This record gives sequence, structure tokens and C-alpha cells, in this order.
Amino acid sequence: ETGVTQTPRHLVMGMTNKKSLKCEQHLGHNAMYWYKQSAKKPLELMFVYSLEERVENNSVPSRFSPECPNSSHLFLHLHTLQPEDSALYLCASSQGWGENNSPLHFGNGTRLTVT
Amino acid sequence: GDSVTQMEGPVTLSEEAFLTINCTYTATGYPSLFWYVQYPGEGLQLLLKATKADDKGSNKGFEATYRKETTSFHLEKGSVQVSDSAVYFCALYYPNTGNQFYFGTGTSLTVIP
Repeated sequence: ETGVTQTPRHLVMGMTNKKSLKCEQHLGHNAMYWYKQSAKKPLELMFVYSLEERVENNSVPSRFSPECPNSSHLFLHLHTLQPEDSALYLCASSQGWGENNSPLHFGNGTRLTVT
Repeated sequence: GDSVTQMEGPVTLSEEAFLTINCTYTATGYPSLFWYVQYPGEGLQLLLKATKADDKGSNKGFEATYRKETTSFHLEKGSVQVSDSAVYFCALYYPNTGNQFYFGTGTSLTVIP
């Protein structure tokens, strides 16, 4: 198993659909993140969970709803998305949040297309 | 505010050429600096890091030196290979102050045989 696994790899959904992205980490980390990667823009931090508690939410629209049931799993629930939400959604984990030099470990991402 | 600026891409080089990807940062404190690499169809992987001024991070033939006087962290490799084709991201991070990772926009590198 790779360190951080994301499913599905690709997702096409209509604007009225509801879907969920899943992330699982096998590194024993206790912090997990959702990032949005759009072309020619810096990575956008969406949510951070530390010890299963949400610690940061960067003004993300409510059509994105995260869930972290335990320190190994992270979900991103999607509903009534817009075409501009099409992007690569990356999950990451780290050992500690706000601790010295703890690098992020990323999954391979879910390529989301909203039609 | 804090930010990272990378050179515009895409960059195309012949195999065995010398690579430099420029990165400069704006920061109010003393961040740690990272380079991440993203191969096609994959997520970002940590390539190297430096935690204080004059530190040199290195990995897989890549190097970058933390230059506080020029607020730079340029990525270099003496002889690139086709397998180095990827997108490279510069990032800064403040330890002990929460998740303050700031990423650049990425620089695409293509190495041709």
C-alpha cells in the first residue's frame, strides 16, 4: 500500500449530483488535509484535520463538506458543484500539525470534472 | 503577505543539460523551504528541504540552498534525465505556527532525449 491512497482517481459528475472523495493514509500520521490544484494557480488549502478535529477551513463554499471519522480516513462530500470546481483534489497527511518541519505526504489525487 | 514566486514555465531541456528553476519568497519570519515534484498522474512528492539560512537540501542529484540575503531557494541539477520530466513546486512552511504551507504555481520541466 502506498502511503496516501485516494479514490476514485477520476470522477465526472453533473451539477446536481452528490459524490464523495475518499482518502486513506497508512503512515500513522495524525493530521490530514484537502488541497485543490487548478491549472496555473498555487495549491489551495481547503481543510485541515488534526487528531480528527477540524482546525482550519479556508473559506471553502458549503457545497464541499469534509469528514474525518478517524486519523487514517478523510472524506470530501460534494454536492451541487459548479463547473469551476473542476480540478485535481489532493489529500495529504503529516505527523503533527504545526510541528517542526513535518512535510506533507500527498496522495495521487482525484481528477474531478463537473459538467 | 507571505508568498512564493517561481519562474514561469514550461522549461524544455535536452538530456544532460544543466537545470535551474528559480524560486524566491516573501516571508515575515524564518520559514523552512521545500521543493516538491509532481510526476504525471501523481500527487506531489517531497524532493528536498532546508530549514535555516545557508542550509543546502539535496536529493536525487537535485540541490537547493536557502539564501536568506536574496530570499531565494533555487533548484539546480547538473545533468537532467528524461525521467526528471515533471512539475516542480517550491514551498515555504512555518513550523510551530499551524499549517502555514505556501506553494508556488509550479514549473513544468520536459527533458527530451
